[in-house]
Amino acid sequence: DAGVIQSPRHEVTEMGQEVTLRCKPISGHDYLFWYRQTMMRGLELLIYFNNNVPIDDSGMPEDRFSAKMPNASFSTLKIQPSEPRDSAVYFCASSLGQGPWNTEAFFGQGTRLTVV
Amino acid sequence: GENVEQHPSTLSVQEGDSAVIKCTYSDSASNYFPWYKQELGKGPQLIIDIRSNVGEKKDQRIAVTLNKTAKHFSLHITETQPEDSAVYFCAASRGHSTLTFGKGTMLLVSP
Repeated sequence: DAGVIQSPRHEVTEMGQEVTLRCKPISGHDYLFWYRQTMMRGLELLIYFNNNVPIDDSGMPEDRFSAKMPNASFSTLKIQPSEPRDSAVYFCASSLGQGPWNTEAFFGQGTRLTVV
Repeated sequence: GENVEQHPSTLSVQEGDSAVIKCTYSDSASNYFPWYKQELGKGPQLIIDIRSNVGEKKDQRIAVTLNKTAKHFSLHITETQPEDSAVYFCAASRGHSTLTFGKGTMLLVSP
């Protein structure tokens, strides 16, 4: 397996524009996570899915952020409208499970978003 | 919710020295403690983890210790090499909860 695949790797957009980040999890993994990484706040969990169903979106900062997982092999994180403070590296991760003893989360390479 | 504090934020060592990174957690029910390594331009990658029924775990040059009473755990890297230079994150979780990460430690190993 090629691992978790994210696209694009880099995105530069103007304030007010819509941004869509994409993620393909590892085949067979039933958990998918979206994280945001900044120098100030570190790695923050935005939302996670189990079997394509959103379980906890309490980390989504505002209504401008939305995430979907239409099937087991694809997820999107959308920001509309984007703002300069959204500039960060966004990671997608997937794992086999999240039982009483957590299993390893595999991260993608990330999407570096710059909003100017 | 869980809160994970990580220290130091930066650490510089000479090649061959040991490096120690420490984390504390707040939720006494946390039972899983992984460590991730993030190289420049890449996503974090699991390097070692420890569960609450174990006090220490070792894998070649890296080891992790857990003190449940004090609610802290540490990463130890011996005989450091330049390729160990990266950002290291500790994390904690319990039961079916998600991981809470520390802020990270930038480790620089000088030849």
